[in-house]
Amino acid sequence: GQSLEQPSEVTAVEGAIVQINCTYQTSGFYGLSWYQQHDGGAPTFLSYNALDGLEETGRFSSFLSRSDSYGYLLLQELQMKDSASYFCAVNRDDKIIFGKGTRLHILP
Amino acid sequence: DSGVTQTPKHLITATGQRVTLRCSPRSGDLSVYWYQQSLDQGLQFLIQYYNGEERAKGNILERFSAQQFPDLHSELNLSSLELGDSALYFCASSLTSGGKSDYEQYFGPGTRLTVT
Repeated sequence: GQSLEQPSEVTAVEGAIVQINCTYQTSGFYGLSWYQQHDGGAPTFLSYNALDGLEETGRFSSFLSRSDSYGYLLLQELQMKDSASYFCAVNRDDKIIFGKGTRLHILP
Repeated sequence: DSGVTQTPKHLITATGQRVTLRCSPRSGDLSVYWYQQSLDQGLQFLIQYYNGEERAKGNILERFSAQQFPDLHSELNLSSLELGDSALYFCASSLTSGGKSDYEQYFGPGTRLTVT
């Protein structure tokens, strides 16, 4: 089948670092992307990994390893405004598949 | 603000009815995607249009249809509505189609549909 697995919830402390994992059981896709969605809001694009390795954009980094069928989103220097849901997504056979999302709780 | 607009913001209708959701993509974007988001199903891809033509189909029911017009705005038509169709419907747009473009999408604020 084609599915993306993410933890349903992760909790971290303000100022800390957190990693949100995404594993998949699908192949033949072009890359992995990440989206952030605040409660009541729309998903917003965070990053895209076309190749294996680490992509860094400010406090956020994303990693992809196609040989391990695995990727992650790394958030550094956590701020309260980072409390949101995070989705990984792939394009398989022109169909966009999203993971069910990871809800990130940040404690002060 | 992503630059993608959707109307209406909220829609309440009865079972069996038909509704039309409208989306205007970001200026310059040629691709439009429709998604359904419900609590138990997450974000489900419905359909994609590129420059007026249907490009990809996801989990779209036969009761649902969409089109993209020459000015690139798109409409999603939902008919014979059922209680289970209650959800948030998002439209997204991207510059072109394929490759990175499919991965970097810009979402509208969504239409919340409630079927009673």
